[in-house]
Amino acid sequence: SQQGEEDPQALSIQEGENATMNCSYKTSINNLQWYRQNSGRGLVHLILIRSNEREKHSGRLRVTLDTSKKSSSLLITASRAADTASYFCASEGGNKLVFGAGTILRVKS
Amino acid sequence: GAVVSQHPSRVICKSGTSVKIECRSLDFQATTMFWYRQFPKQSLMLMATSNEGSKATYEQGVEKDKFLINHASLTLSTLTVTSAHPEDSSFYICSARPVSVYGYTFGSGTRLTVV
Repeated sequence: SQQGEEDPQALSIQEGENATMNCSYKTSINNLQWYRQNSGRGLVHLILIRSNEREKHSGRLRVTLDTSKKSSSLLITASRAADTASYFCASEGGNKLVFGAGTILRVKS
Repeated sequence: GAVVSQHPSRVICKSGTSVKIECRSLDFQATTMFWYRQFPKQSLMLMATSNEGSKATYEQGVEKDKFLINHASLTLSTLTVTSAHPEDSSFYICSARPVSVYGYTFGSGTRLTVV
């Protein structure tokens, strides 16, 4: 399968808590990206981390990348009900994105 | 910001008919666009890479004659599902990458239901 793996598959937390999602990929990459998808909609780009970077921040988002383990994590701090969505990592190599299986995040208010 | 417009958002068609889905880059030129398929509660699977002025590149296992891709201009790519069957029912999403933006921009998707 071309897909990477993500865990957990589903995550349910209370508003204000932090949410952490993990992703693994299979091949060498130029960068790794995280996307958000609301139900039945297109994807929204959240953040990109290059293969030579180890950590990146954007607002309430923190992404880490470990190329030796071919893994990445996305941390959403101080979660809000509006963060409820599916989150996908996507590894890019050769101008092609390969998506992970995704994590369904539910933030309860 | 960069926008990719995809139409229609929903379509229901009869088995055996063909359906065309359009993907337009509204404020940038896209020499390459990508078509994905997504089944319920699953991830996106790349179907093909659409190249302006040349043939599309299909992923392994995707039937070229069933999923016709045309990229006739720098702002428009179309995906035609020919002789559709119920198993083609899915969510189809296109994307493109504006040069000045790091990530990819996605269309809002097309929910195809074949009855």
